[in-house]
Amino acid sequence: QSALTQPASVSGSPGQSIAISCTGTRSDVGGYNYVSWYQQHPGKAPKLMIYEVASRPSGISDRFSGSKSGNTASLTISGLQAEDEADYYCSSYRSTGTGTLVFGGGTKVTVL
Amino acid sequence: QVQLVESGGGVVQPGRSLRLSCTTSGFTFTNNVIHWVRQAPGKGLDWVAVVSEDGRARYYPDSVKGRFTISRDNSKNTLYLQMNRLRPEDTAVYYCARGMHGNDILAGYLDYWGQGMLVTVPS
Repeated sequence: QSALTQPASVSGSPGQSIAISCTGTRSDVGGYNYVSWYQQHPGKAPKLMIYEVASRPSGISDRFSGSKSGNTASLTISGLQAEDEADYYCSSYRSTGTGTLVFGGGTKVTVL
Repeated sequence: QVQLVESGGGVVQPGRSLRLSCTTSGFTFTNNVIHWVRQAPGKGLDWVAVVSEDGRARYYPDSVKGRFTISRDNSKNTLYLQMNRLRPEDTAVYYCARGMHGNDILAGYLDYWGQGMLVTVPS
């Protein structure tokens, strides 16, 4: 199964805002509001940051926000901080066959 | 607090079998679907399997269908992944994760993850 498309890397300076894109098709990102985003620091388990396109779990900073337009979802991190440096993965439900869960290839966020 | 702890990983020869376990606590196990997700060294996340709350519905991607079997014991709050006919490309850290979903058990998100367990299949 082909992954959702994310940029390999995004960087920004402390305090800046950055956006990570996640592009799919009408069978996944564009067709359903089941896009989620995960943060993963090296050697650690992934952590849910955004679910259902734009909802934040309890305890997640409001510096993290999600949106979607057509077949592309986005994660925006505002007021970039050093601890935001990590890998970020998007995920979506895909309605092919019996259905599946697909992830993006991941984006490395670097804080300059 | 919600906890998921994987066990059972290790080194296994190609073609052999291995069973992973995921012991959970801190939530009502029968209220949630549970997923397995893996991550090959230096690579991204790859969904492996999901099982419904009652254990009756199970889904897999084509890459593991027919070789891997997910199951759960609701009396023990424990999830399993039976992996048969293992291949070098199955080498990865395997995570179990709690799922939240809508009408379809795959249409949702993973809100709590275990720490992961490494499975190595040498070539």
